[in-house]
Amino acid sequence: SQQGEEDPQALSIQEGENATMNCSYKTSINNLQWYRQNSGRGLVHLILIRSNEREKHSGRLRVTLDTSKKSSSLLITASRAADTASYFCATGLNSGGSNYKLTFGKGTLLTVNP
Amino acid sequence: DSGVTQTPKHLITATGQRVTLRCSPRSGDLSVYWYQQSLDQGLQFLIQYYNGEERAKGNILERFSAQQFPDLHSELNLSSLELGDSALYFCASSVASDYEQYFGPGTRLTVT
Repeated sequence: SQQGEEDPQALSIQEGENATMNCSYKTSINNLQWYRQNSGRGLVHLILIRSNEREKHSGRLRVTLDTSKKSSSLLITASRAADTASYFCATGLNSGGSNYKLTFGKGTLLTVNP
Repeated sequence: DSGVTQTPKHLITATGQRVTLRCSPRSGDLSVYWYQQSLDQGLQFLIQYYNGEERAKGNILERFSAQQFPDLHSELNLSSLELGDSALYFCASSVASDYEQYFGPGTRLTVT
């Protein structure tokens, strides 16, 4: 299956600490994306990293991609209570002709305690 | 606000009925995607349209269909509804395939 699997399923930390979430997948991909979802609301795109990239940064977020190990990680530094949400990795595969599927994992529930 | 709008926000209907969910993509986005999110199945890709044409299919049931109109808005039609179809349905759009997707707020469907 192409589906990404996040690890851990749940993570609870204190404000100011760093949070690391991991994602593993099984097949070739064109890119990998991370999204955040607050309870019952729409997903918010965080970072897209392409298969030929190894690391990307956006503000307090750092994403790495290791295609040889078929894994990615999302690091949130200096976490805040507002970072409390579910975080999903999604693997993207373009089969040609604008045929593109994004397959989501089950997500990591991050709780940041004030 | 992602710029993607979905209507209605909530929908309660009975088994066997048919409903239509509507999505307006971000201005300029040609690709529209539909997803279903439920507690047991997680977030599942249903179908993708690009500039009016169907481009990719995921785990979409035969009772479900979709289309994208010339003005690029999209509709997802769900028929012969079953209890198990109760879920959040999200629409997302992107400027083209293989780019980041912007999600709407979702339609929560409850089938009773």
